[in-house]
Amino acid sequence: SQQGEEDPQALSIQEGENATMNCSYKTSINNLQWYRQNSGRGLVHLILIRSNEREKHSGRLRVTLDTSKKSSSLLITASRAADTASYFCATGQIDMRFGAGTRLTVKP
Amino acid sequence: DTEVTQTPKHLVMGMTNKKSLKCEQHMGHRAMYWYKQKAKKPPELMFVYSYEKLSINESVPSRFSPECPNSSLLNLHLHALQPEDSALYLCASSQVAGWRETQYFGPGTRLLVL
Repeated sequence: SQQGEEDPQALSIQEGENATMNCSYKTSINNLQWYRQNSGRGLVHLILIRSNEREKHSGRLRVTLDTSKKSSSLLITASRAADTASYFCATGQIDMRFGAGTRLTVKP
Repeated sequence: DTEVTQTPKHLVMGMTNKKSLKCEQHMGHRAMYWYKQKAKKPPELMFVYSYEKLSINESVPSRFSPECPNSSLLNLHLHALQPEDSALYLCASSQVAGWRETQYFGPGTRLLVL
């Protein structure tokens, strides 16, 4: 079963713009991860943020976590056409649960 | 080598067929996972193997039968599937099963049941 909701469900932007995706979850967590999936293929791990962290950066990615609101956001700065993919947040220990995902389209 | 491989890439089978999906990793990971993903939906966990032992079965129907013959290999045996079982089947592995662990995914097997 899904862990929570992501919004927006779909996002379309121009190359060079920033993209922000949000994720809400239901249970208490030890960490939250973000994954990317291109065209229904395998998922690629992007970033992990622990429950005691509020913000984390990796290249053009910035993730925030608000455990009081049970929510996280993923910001991709200066987007590229190659960033077109579905993005999922995931929580859980052994039994990882994914959010519904955001389908991002970056137009060249 | 940070790759998880899955074979076959595509599979079409009838409801009376028996087939198997294969997943392999050579990263020394001791946890392996099967997920099912329907179109435009997130992956859903099916099974977790930890140190070659089944540790989680998410109430998956018995027509799906997992097997972990060694620490590098994970199989999913399919028998008497239904058309609604058509989906992308993803395998993943992690160093061990636990909350700190990043999972590495294979490219998936796209299954069509006729």
